[in-house]
Parts: sequence; structure tokens; C-alpha cells
Amino acid sequence: DAKTTQPTSMDCAEGRAANLPCNHSTISGNEYVYWYRQIHSQGPQYIIHGLKNNETNEMASLIITEDRKSSTLILPHATLRDTAVYYCIVRVLTGGFKTIFGAGTRLFVKA
Amino acid sequence: DAGVIQSPRHEVTEMGQEVTLRCKPISGHDYLFWYRQTMMRGLELLIYFNNNVPIDDSGMPEDRFSAKMPNASFSTLKIQPSEPRDSAVYFCASSKNRGYTGELFFGEGSRLTVL
Repeated sequence: DAKTTQPTSMDCAEGRAANLPCNHSTISGNEYVYWYRQIHSQGPQYIIHGLKNNETNEMASLIITEDRKSSTLILPHATLRDTAVYYCIVRVLTGGFKTIFGAGTRLFVKA
Repeated sequence: DAGVIQSPRHEVTEMGQEVTLRCKPISGHDYLFWYRQTMMRGLELLIYFNNNVPIDDSGMPEDRFSAKMPNASFSTLKIQPSEPRDSAVYFCASSKNRGYTGELFFGEGSRLTVL
């Protein structure tokens, strides 16, 4: 699985959009970009995933660059409850499902 | 669905004792994963199963750790003998293969403290 690089931490004001970047320059053609988040003490929670098109669901939007070497997770209106560690992961959709978590980005949403 | 169920939620034991952590995956899921999380090392994948068969145990730290999945609805992670450095939160996760997004569903974790 390709390796990802994320900033260690970020701040965001409550009500503003939170944009979390991820670099995955060695991503393969069949690898998807997944985002999870982990709120303090809880198990990681799936947010969204995509291959090459932008994706949106009720939680967030995922923007993947045309060359697929980087992506951005967007929380459109961050709330205090969005304070968490956000993990960007690349992996194939099927098969072994081996999912390796990096250090992630610690997002602080401030009032 | 009740989600992935782990027990115990908290375990405090003394060095040298045997520890058994339990996991019930979501019904119908055919992949099961065991992770360990510490401040120093983050989330580490220990082992995962497909259809009750261990597929990759390369993350199991040493022979003191063992994992089993006797049936589709139950898995155990055993540490014998336990050591203080095994103190961590252990997460179990499950996933479904075909026709699905491939997302992992995590339990609430078992916090282990070895004195």
C-alpha cells in the first residue's frame, strides 16, 4: 500500500470549513483514498473514500487531484465535535483489506 | 446491527498473568482485524482474518501474543504472559468483502493495563 503524508496538526474555527490535506505521491492505479477519524478514546470511524472523482457524503467532501498524488478532506462547517485525529489511507478496494494507519492529522476546532 | 462488540472494556492485571480479549464482529462480515494503539506507536495492525482463517499475522509482536477465530462470530486475542509494555488499547474491527465499500467498522476497544 502507498504511503501517505499528513500535517501533524491543524486548527479550525467553529463554523468554518476545515481542509485537511494528504499527499500520496506513490499511489497505484487501483488504490483508493480512504479517510477515517478517531475521536478521543473511541475506535476509528470511516468518513469517505474515492478513486479519482470527487466524492461527497453527509459527513464530508473528498477532493482528489487529477494526477491522484494528493487529496483534501473538507468538513464544510466544522463543529467542536469534529475535533479528532484524521487518518488518510490508500489501499486497494478488494482483496486483503490490509489497512495501515499512519500518524494522522490532529484537528482542533476552536470556538 | 449492534456493531463490533469487544470485551472487557477495561482490564487491569499484573505482569505475568494471562490476558484474553474478546471480539464479536458484525454479522455477515468476513474480515476481522486486531489493532493495538499506544501513544508511542499509534495504531498498529496485529493480525487479520478472512473467513475465520488468519491471513497476515506479521504485526503480532512476539510469541506471547496469539489470536484465534473459532467461528464467524467470535475472536480472541490472548497475551501470555503479559508484560507492562503490553499496556495499550486493543481494537477489533470487521469488514465485508463483496459488493461493499471496504470500510472497517471498529469496536470501542479494550484498554489493557499491565502492572
